Amino acid sequence: QLQLQESGPGLVKPSETLSLTCTVSGGFISSSGSYWGWIRQPPGKGLEWIGSIYYSGTTYYNPSLKSRVTISVDTSKNQFSLRLSSVTAADTAVYYCARPDSSNWGNFDYWGQGTLVTVSS
Amino acid sequence: DIQMTQSPSSLSTSVGDRVTITCRASQSISNFLNWYQQKTGKAPKLLIYAASSLQSGVPSRFSGSGSGTDFTLTISSLQPEDFATYYCQQSYSTPWAFGQGTKVEIK
Repeated sequence: QLQLQESGPGLVKPSETLSLTCTVSGGFISSSGSYWGWIRQPPGKGLEWIGSIYYSGTTYYNPSLKSRVTISVDTSKNQFSLRLSSVTAADTAVYYCARPDSSNWGNFDYWGQGTLVTVSS
Repeated sequence: DIQMTQSPSSLSTSVGDRVTITCRASQSISNFLNWYQQKTGKAPKLLIYAASSLQSGVPSRFSGSGSGTDFTLTISSLQPEDFATYYCQQSYSTPWAFGQGTKVEIK
């Protein structure tokens, strides 16, 4: 059974960089055809796709965040990571890592439990 | 970018009721439409993909329909465990976009 687990600081200061890691177990992050994604949800609000990465390293970002986002993959650790720079209070959210199913890389069928990141001084 | 609009934003209903939630895309997305269920404090769960295909393990009381710009999620007979927030999402083109959610509450 594939499992995803987010980890990283729960508190980040304004203007600094948010860094999160998603550890994948029960499967290989480098499996051919695999995409991996990050999605966030501000408290009490809806879901926003941040971006995705193909197992080979090709990235796809939401244009609304593209200038501040970097997603990378570390196949040796079976992990992928999110970096979001110059954060503000508007970046306070639960951050989820997720994996799409094989039929369409936009259909997210496996999710981590989510991690709350608060941006505050 | 494609915008997704759900209605209603919330509804109060009873166990056993039939529930219908609608989702409209700002442009045609063929059948590239997914539905998710999210319970408080939990990650979303994929219920339906490709507008009408039931994800493995999802009860058959859930169904989806539609194509183009207009889509519907139906719960034929609401069960206690179905009280949650439901989101539609287009997987036609990036940036993937979600609707604002529909909260199904107990009357």
